[in-house]
Amino acid sequence: GAVVSQHPSRVICKSGTSVKIECRSLDFQATTMFWYRQFPKQSLMLMATSNEGSKATYEQGVEKDKFLINHASLTLSTLTVTSAHPEDSSFYICSANRGRGGETQYFGPGTRLLVL
Amino acid sequence: GENVEQHPSTLSVQEGDSAVIKCTYSDSASNYFPWYKQELGKRPQLIIDIRSNVGEKKDQRIAVTLNKTAKHFSLHITETQPEDSAVYFCAASKGAGKSTFGDGTTLTVKP
Repeated sequence: GAVVSQHPSRVICKSGTSVKIECRSLDFQATTMFWYRQFPKQSLMLMATSNEGSKATYEQGVEKDKFLINHASLTLSTLTVTSAHPEDSSFYICSANRGRGGETQYFGPGTRLLVL
Repeated sequence: GENVEQHPSTLSVQEGDSAVIKCTYSDSASNYFPWYKQELGKRPQLIIDIRSNVGEKKDQRIAVTLNKTAKHFSLHITETQPEDSAVYFCAASKGAGKSTFGDGTTLTVKP
């Protein structure tokens, strides 16, 4: 159990377009999901905490108007990179906690975004 | 906020040897310390975790120790195998899942 999926696995887009990434918990309900960004050979950088039914909490330095997060149900959170630019190219990973107050994070497989 | 430091950044060992990765954290309120293994291009996978009310935990060839007073915890891998080669991340959390990650250790096990 505790499977998290992400879609798409990779996307190439032109500069100025918007890209939506979906994160789904397949066999459990996730009140909270997290979105990370990971650069090559670097650690996971938390971008925001996505809470079902309420606004996301963004980390310092992350533009909320640039990275729109929606957590409309207990199994789905979406991250939309608006007006993407080449510097937004990265590996985006989501994670979900199982149950309320659950400690262990279960990660999605990641989405590799390349903006041309 | 929480600050997690991880050492070393790279570690190379011979197959069969032991590997030790160390992390320190700054927030004494942190009470959950997971370790993740991430293979190239894949998702991080939880390999072991420890809570603040425990000093040591072992799972086959993997063990984690925690020193709350000194605010450091370590991952020990014994009898290393080539398939242990990956990037390992430590993390510290105060609960409800939000974790601060270390910078990662690239472990290479040479056959």
